[in-house]
Order: sequence, then structure tokens, then C-alpha cells
Amino acid sequence: EADIYQTPRYLVIGTGKKITLECSQTMGHDKMYWYQQDPGMELHLIHYSYGVNSTEKGDLSSESTVSRIRTEHFPLTLESARPSHTSQYLCASTTGSLTGELFFGEGSRLTVL
Amino acid sequence: QQQVKQSPQSLIVQKGGISIINCAYENTAFDYFPWYQQFPGKGPALLIAIRPDVSEKKEGRFTISFNKSAKQFSLHIMDSQPGDSATYFCAASKRDYKLSFGAGTTVTVRA
Repeated sequence: EADIYQTPRYLVIGTGKKITLECSQTMGHDKMYWYQQDPGMELHLIHYSYGVNSTEKGDLSSESTVSRIRTEHFPLTLESARPSHTSQYLCASTTGSLTGELFFGEGSRLTVL
Repeated sequence: QQQVKQSPQSLIVQKGGISIINCAYENTAFDYFPWYQQFPGKGPALLIAIRPDVSEKKEGRFTISFNKSAKQFSLHIMDSQPGDSATYFCAASKRDYKLSFGAGTTVTVRA
């Protein structure tokens, strides 16, 4: 079983609140990712990082931001949540191999009222 | 723009039957094609993967068939079991460590 953890698992908040979704992995992986998943839709890459102090935006534009100060930690922040941000957010990590398995956390389901 | 198109959206199969899920892609730079399995409340997990230099890969009851000229690949689940009920995602990547996923197929195996 993968050692990648996401908190909170479920979050219901009001519009305008600031939220941070936490993601931590204990596998020492350099590469970490955030995907957004809506029901019946593909996983969309919104952020990725190939190492400490390295972050990039993914294919799907997102108002969220990320940081990578430590190898094991890759938090995602929304400064002012809106109902359009309601979704499931999945964190993942992998080794340096080009065909390395992507290990996913169990996800953070965010509902913005 | 969806880079990997997956079908069907859902399927129901009887226990012991065969489940077939199809995916198509356009980008010829893709060179790694994994399938992920996701159970409710869990993150996706790697099931099986293939590189374009082979046309078929089998692991237990799961087989990937790959057609490079048609830019299509499929997952076959043989002797489907109730425990196989899950959502399956195909994916593809170039040599850039980023996966593009299909929309997913929800498989229900009836006992």
C-alpha cells in the first residue's frame, strides 16, 4: 500500500474561505502531482513538482497554488474558495523512472457552499 | 482538450464474463500507456501498463491490447469477478513524467 496521505478527506466550507489541502508522502519521491477529479470525468493535472522549490501549473488552469518546501510535503491552497472549486482533489507521487508507477492518496473531497 | 478518449462510460457484466474497455489517443509522442483501477473512496492504483513496442501484455486476468497504427489500446478483464467492480482509467504519457487520463469506465460485475 502506498504511503501517501491526504488531509482532510472531506471538507465543507463557505464561499470566500481560505483552505489548504495537505499531502504528504514517506517514499522519498521527488515528483509530486495534484489532480482534480469530477464525477464521470477524467483526472485533470492542475499542479506538479519535480523537486523542492520546483512547482509548475498543469494542463487544467486552476486558481489554487502549491508549494514544495520539503520533499515529502506538497500542500495545495485556495485563497478564496468558490462553489466552482467543489471537486475531489487527488495527490500523487512517483519515482524518477519515466514509467514509474504513480501512487495516489485517497483524495480530499471539497464542497464549497 | 481530451487527449485520451475512453469508452464505454459504464458497463455491466455477469460474473465470469469478459469486460472490454477501449481507449484512443492522437498524440504520437505518447509512449507509455497504463491502466489504473479506482475503488469508491480510494485513489486510483496502477493495474497494468504497456509500452508501444509490444502489442499485448497479460497479467493474470487482465490483458492490454495495443494497436499502434490505429492509436488505440484496450483493457480486457477475463473471468470478471464481483471484486473487479470499480472504475478503470486508461492513461498515456510522453517522456515528461505527466499522465493524461481518460474519463473512466465504471465496471459492475453482477454475481
